[in-house]
Amino acid sequence: DAMVIQNPRYQVTQFGKPVTLSCSQTLNHNVMYWYQQKSSQAPKLLFHYYDKDFNNEADTPDNFQSRRPNTSFCFLDIRSPGLGDAAMYLCATSGGGSGGEQFFGPGTRLTVL
Amino acid sequence: DAKTTQPTSMDCAEGRAANLPCNHSTISGNEYVYWYRQIHSQGPQYIIHGLKNNETNEMASLIITEDRKSSTLILPHATLRDTAVYYCIQGGNKLVFGAGTILRVKS
Repeated sequence: DAMVIQNPRYQVTQFGKPVTLSCSQTLNHNVMYWYQQKSSQAPKLLFHYYDKDFNNEADTPDNFQSRRPNTSFCFLDIRSPGLGDAAMYLCATSGGGSGGEQFFGPGTRLTVL
Repeated sequence: DAKTTQPTSMDCAEGRAANLPCNHSTISGNEYVYWYRQIHSQGPQYIIHGLKNNETNEMASLIITEDRKSSTLILPHATLRDTAVYYCIQGGNKLVFGAGTILRVKS
């Protein structure tokens, strides 16, 4: 089945140690999104790619970067994770254009020690 | 910031219809109303969306008022597996999630 895949599902890193989360999709969608969801909070958009065009949200910390080497893959890099970056990270895709649904992956839960 | 307002929580008896309200009084002409839900520890799941007209799919119905300032999501026969946080979102390509409504379906 076409889907959004996130690996790993659980990631543990140390304070200040760079970490990369990955997302892949088989939907051939133009747009890929990264959200951060902290405990008991709603998902918050960090950035998105429309094809190769990167769109950063104004309040996304510089510590968070993203790469999209091709249509299928998108990566979230956290350069120096702090304790406050512990969260569920959700990847989503959409076909682009208004009125389209977003398809979410299962998320990667990041723990920072 | 999220632009919609929803009740914090609601309870529903299993097998009955669950009616979840949402206010989106600042919605503009080209913004859609989207509903997603999130079951504990899973990614959000798309339910339905609409612009002006009422919509129905295999999961739910969406009733949008004529002035578009509010809407109601209807789950016609709620089951225990429908227990989740339900998010109502106004917008276009980008989703700004509010706190949502915690729906508890009870047997």
